[in-house]
Amino acid sequence: AQKVTQAQTEISVVEKEDVTLDCVYETRDTTYYLFWYKQPPSGELVFLIRRNSFDEQNEISGRYSWNFQKSTSSFNFTITASQVVDSAVYFCALSDPGGSYIPTFGRGTSLIVHP
Amino acid sequence: NAGVMQNPRHLVRRRGQEARLRCSPMKGHSHVYWYRQLPEEGLKFMVYLQKENIIDESGMPKERFSAEFPKEGPSILRIQQVVRGDSAAYFCASSPGRGGPSTDTQYFGPGTRLTVL
Repeated sequence: AQKVTQAQTEISVVEKEDVTLDCVYETRDTTYYLFWYKQPPSGELVFLIRRNSFDEQNEISGRYSWNFQKSTSSFNFTITASQVVDSAVYFCALSDPGGSYIPTFGRGTSLIVHP
Repeated sequence: NAGVMQNPRHLVRRRGQEARLRCSPMKGHSHVYWYRQLPEEGLKFMVYLQKENIIDESGMPKERFSAEFPKEGPSILRIQQVVRGDSAAYFCASSPGRGGPSTDTQYFGPGTRLTVL
């Protein structure tokens, strides 16, 4: 069975600080996908990224970057120079054949960026 | 290019009434997923549908809950005889369906917030 742990329930930073959101996963499969979603106060879920288990290259998209470490089963998300608009709940998710590829979500990390 | 549409955005029901939640997938998407988000919790999978077929309903309660995705029209999640514990945000997601859940990325709607009084 798969499991996603986001140990940080809430993180509070001041604008322009860098912040890293942790995600640790468990799966017995060698083929799987990892996701990050953002849920702003308005409530919708915004897709940010999907990575497959065979691609361990880190990815950068503007102020966002992702660090995939298979050795530690982690897929951490870093926001550089945070902004107030980054305030949201961020969900990490895992999908694998054991779960018929239906994503399992972590409980989310609430990020609050103060001006 | 419209995203996933859900309506209503907010729904209030009294105990014992029925709740109907609608989801229109993105254009060109043939797979629909429903999730429930309880307060301060992550999303829990409920059901996965393709047009006119339920593919996986392993996350849906056996009683009072049902889902459909007809050939024409939106997908409907129906909750009969609602109870207070059904109060939650219900999210719908859609995917193109070319490769199934294994390769598709799901795109989420804005959610329907159900409050049961």
